[in-house]
Amino acid sequence: AQSVTQLDSQVPVFEEAPVELRCNYSSSVSVYLFWYVQYPNQGLQLLLKYLSGSTLVKGINGFEAEFNKSQTSFHLRKPSVHISDTAEYFCAVSEWTGGFKTIFGAGTRLFVKA
Amino acid sequence: GAVVSQHPSRVICKSGTSVKIECRSLDFQATTMFWYRQFPKQSLMLMATSNEGSKATYEQGVEKDKFLINHASLTLSTLTVTSAHPEDSSFYICSATGLAGDSYEQYFGPGTRLTVT
Repeated sequence: AQSVTQLDSQVPVFEEAPVELRCNYSSSVSVYLFWYVQYPNQGLQLLLKYLSGSTLVKGINGFEAEFNKSQTSFHLRKPSVHISDTAEYFCAVSEWTGGFKTIFGAGTRLFVKA
Repeated sequence: GAVVSQHPSRVICKSGTSVKIECRSLDFQATTMFWYRQFPKQSLMLMATSNEGSKATYEQGVEKDKFLINHASLTLSTLTVTSAHPEDSSFYICSATGLAGDSYEQYFGPGTRLTVT
């Protein structure tokens, strides 16, 4: 069975500082990995995804993530954050086991301070 | 990219009544749609998976008689919360995968805020 662990519930950071949001997963089959951002009272917006190929994935808004199979991790990074990056970030894992199923992590609240 | 809409965006209903939420794929055919609910400051919990023309598959602990899901066409799925109670108040989000998009990406609707008084 798959599971997703986001190790930090909240990450406060100053504007223009780098940030890393951590995500670890467990699964018995090949997985597809995603990061989504959610602003208050809105749906989810896809930041980036890993399906196959290069383990370093670049997404929108300057975010990137690296898939590490041996550590079963998919950490999200941004070298310099903005106030507008303040939001909830969700790591998600999808696997195909006769049906397509996605499980989300608990979320990490990124709070960017001026 | 593919667009998924939800209607209504917000709904307030009285306890004991039923409310229907629509999820539409606007520019692609959604063979599979998912329904999630999200409590404040929590993650998305998968409620059910619905494939067009067949019965929905509910996750463990989700009452199928309370949360009725219909996926009658390739562009529309509905979630009906029957005999709603205040504890059903939540943010409901649908998503869809389909033929026009990347088969390993889900396109999410904007969500519906349900408040039961």
